[in-house]
Amino acid sequence: EDQVTQSPEALRLQEGESSSLNCSYTVSGLRGLFWYRQDPGKGPEFLFTLYSAGEEKEKERLKATLTKKESFLHITAPKPEDSATYLCAVQASNTGKLIFGQGTTLQVKP
Amino acid sequence: NAGVTQTPKFRVLKTGQSMTLLCAQDMNHEYMYWYRQDPGMGLRLIHYSVGEGTTAKGEVPDGYNVSRLKKQNFLLGLESAAPSQTSVYFCASSMTSGPYTQYFGPGTRLTVL
Repeated sequence: EDQVTQSPEALRLQEGESSSLNCSYTVSGLRGLFWYRQDPGKGPEFLFTLYSAGEEKEKERLKATLTKKESFLHITAPKPEDSATYLCAVQASNTGKLIFGQGTTLQVKP
Repeated sequence: NAGVTQTPKFRVLKTGQSMTLLCAQDMNHEYMYWYRQDPGMGLRLIHYSVGEGTTAKGEVPDGYNVSRLKKQNFLLGLESAAPSQTSVYFCASSMTSGPYTQYFGPGTRLTVL
């Protein structure tokens, strides 16, 4: 069964304190792994797509990496405006459907 | 370029009432989706469409119907609302070929009393 598990559920950081969010997955043929950011009361906002193990993508203070079993979202020197829920999703090549994890809620304190 | 828009943003229904949620996209995407998001459950696919005039069931389709009469619009209907359908509903759209990224609307918060 296709499954996505994110950890931790919640993370509190001080401004400038770097950390990583984890997304573990099992899927029968990976078409792509997606990271989204969701602010309270809003829809998920697309961040990255990763397609194969070893791939990395960066955007400002965020860097996403991918292995055959998991993905990490590294946050370097976070700022309070990085506070949000980060969602991970995998797309199976056989169904094409997105399977979402529960999300990690990040709070960055000034 | 508005992307994906949803109406209404909020709605309160009584048990047994019906309503339709409207999703519109201006990105010329073929694929459109309806999800619901509940605390602790994550985003779950209700129905989806791979093109005008076609629809298919997702993970949690019971109690919902959909229609895709125009390429840019995807409607989600609740014929007889139940308290279990209290949720936040998101519409998304994507292209038919890579990178298959789904772009989401702002959501509709529905409460069924």
